[in-house]
Amino acid sequence: AQSVTQPDIHITVSEGASLELRCNYSYGATPYLFWYVQSPGQGLQLLLKYFSGDTLVQGIKGFEAEFKRSQSSFNLRKPSVHWSDAAEYFCAVGMIKAAGNKLTFGGGTRVLVKP
Amino acid sequence: DGGITQSPKYLFRKEGQNVTLSCEQNLNHDAMYWYRQDPGQGLRLIYYSQIVNDFQKGDIAEGYSVSREKKESFPLTVTSAQKNPTAFYLCASTIGGYNEQFFGPGTRLTVL
Repeated sequence: AQSVTQPDIHITVSEGASLELRCNYSYGATPYLFWYVQSPGQGLQLLLKYFSGDTLVQGIKGFEAEFKRSQSSFNLRKPSVHWSDAAEYFCAVGMIKAAGNKLTFGGGTRVLVKP
Repeated sequence: DGGITQSPKYLFRKEGQNVTLSCEQNLNHDAMYWYRQDPGQGLRLIYYSQIVNDFQKGDIAEGYSVSREKKESFPLTVTSAQKNPTAFYLCASTIGGYNEQFFGPGTRLTVL
């Protein structure tokens, strides 16, 4: 069965420091990948997506992610974190030609930003 | 502006009552989805619909029902058969293909 793992439930980072959130997936076919961000009590906002091409993708708010097929990973990074980046982050994976364009979500990583 | 609206933002119901959550989109998307979110468990798919008058069960459909009579609307009913209905419910839609899903702001349902 397909699965998405975000190993870190919580991460605390100082403002201005770098951030990396891990995402690993288990899929039998070529995936397409997303990172979403959620502020408390809100819906999800897309940060970036990968379908094909350059494996390093740039997103909004200064985020980037790198797809590594050999490691089945799609880690999210930001060089310098701002207090407004405190939120929950979800990795999601879809399978090409899957019925219903369904996505499988990881359990999320909550990011806390220290001043 | 195009987007997805969910109403109400907060909903309280007594145990044993059915309740219907609204989801409307004006993005002209064909596919719509309902997710349930519990702390630490990510998003779990309840139902989805790829076209009007057709829908499929997701991973946790028991105790829920949906309808898709119009392209813009995909209401979710939480029935009294749902054992633990208190949760945050998110509606989403997509144009399909390899494109992202767009999410509404969510409805927090509390059953007392």
